[in-house]
Amino acid sequence: RKEVEQDPGPFNVPEGATVAFNCTYSNSASQSFFWYRQDCRKEPKLLMSVYSSGNEDGRFTAQLNRASQYISLLIRDSKLSDSATYLCVVILISSGSARQLTFGSGTQLTVLP
Amino acid sequence: DVKVTQSSRYLVKRTGEKVFLECVQDMDHENMFWYRQDPGLGLRLIYFSYDVKMKEKGDIPEGYSVSREKKERFSLILESASTNQTSMYLCASTGQAPGGYGYTFGSGTRLTVV
Repeated sequence: RKEVEQDPGPFNVPEGATVAFNCTYSNSASQSFFWYRQDCRKEPKLLMSVYSSGNEDGRFTAQLNRASQYISLLIRDSKLSDSATYLCVVILISSGSARQLTFGSGTQLTVLP
Repeated sequence: DVKVTQSSRYLVKRTGEKVFLECVQDMDHENMFWYRQDPGLGLRLIYFSYDVKMKEKGDIPEGYSVSREKKERFSLILESASTNQTSMYLCASTGQAPGGYGYTFGSGTRLTVV
């Protein structure tokens, strides 16, 4: 079983739609959670951190459910510019206090005009 | 602005060549990472380092080695390049601050081994 699992999609949604992605992780000791966005042929960039209390950044809302070991990302009022691959990222503190990222394989979103 | 710089954007090497991929960060970060990204497989961790001269194997270290002689520089070495090492290689770094502290990636090196 993969440590971090995401539905690869693709999700094709019309402009203005609300879309949600889920991600599950297997290691209950995971400590930090993020969503990254990756545009085609570019490097991943941090979109937002994910907290147990839930957090919102404009049209984006992230939630963490530690009991069920999943995180979610909700995008409201989708824009064409939201088209990208969204990567779920989980961090474990490993030896020497190194913070090791584990990535999901990404969910591809295409917002259609 | 935080920066992670990878020395080459595109690289073509021959099978059997020794290949060096360089990564430099200007943020005084302790932790540095090398990933490779392949279609359908996502990002996979090759090696990471949490301090100068320290290194740890990631999930797929075979065929690779690393060097961290200075805090700002983390090098990935392909001792004898093979065609299955054709991939996008991404370097990342982060500081020691706990939770809620994201990673910064370099723009990647697309390596083709022929």
